[in-house]
Amino acid sequence: GQQVMQIPQYQHVQEGEDFTTYCNSSTTLSNIQWYKQRPGGHPVFLIQLVKSGEVKKQKRLTFQFGEAKKNSSLHITATQTTDVGTYFCAGPRGGGNKLTFGTGTQLKVEL
Amino acid sequence: ETGVTQTPRHLVMGMTNKKSLKCEQHLGHNAMYWYKQSAKKPLELMFVYSLEERVENNSVPSRFSPECPNSSHLFLHLHTLQPEDSALYLCASSQGLLSPATNEKLFFGSGTQLSVL
Repeated sequence: GQQVMQIPQYQHVQEGEDFTTYCNSSTTLSNIQWYKQRPGGHPVFLIQLVKSGEVKKQKRLTFQFGEAKKNSSLHITATQTTDVGTYFCAGPRGGGNKLTFGTGTQLKVEL
Repeated sequence: ETGVTQTPRHLVMGMTNKKSLKCEQHLGHNAMYWYKQSAKKPLELMFVYSLEERVENNSVPSRFSPECPNSSHLFLHLHTLQPEDSALYLCASSQGLLSPATNEKLFFGSGTQLSVL
């Protein structure tokens, strides 16, 4: 079945450093979504990418969808303590009404 | 506040107990979902409902029984659970069923942290 892997599993950075998480799917995706889950919280939708090679920015966050639509990345510039949490990518499978979530990357930001 | 409310927030139950998790969404959405989140494992889809009809049962053991009386409410009835069922159970909703052709996204509740002793 479809698998969605993310690397790294954990990342500790100093505040102000950059951070990148990579998402890789075993199958081609029609679109990809990204969610953020704060410690003790629930996943919150960040963005959806649809087009091959698409790049979207949200302030310090840059999301990219690979040309082959099998991988994606999230890059955070100059991390802040508010960026702490686990970032998940998710892609549709089956008839599309199911999302397969990635394994997640847990980000910790130290002052 | 996401518009999706789950109760209780925490639940401790024995293996012989029967309990129910409740989810209510105030967003006017037509699709609702149950997800299981275990430590160090990806979010696992359990059930999908669209307009009160179950459209997905993701090979979930029968000790988990969902109920969707209307498009705003979703329950997960629990019976004779095992310790390995301890996890965070998340309810989510979306306007319509997720589709590659739409921009549907999931709105999650805060979850019920379940411990089975």
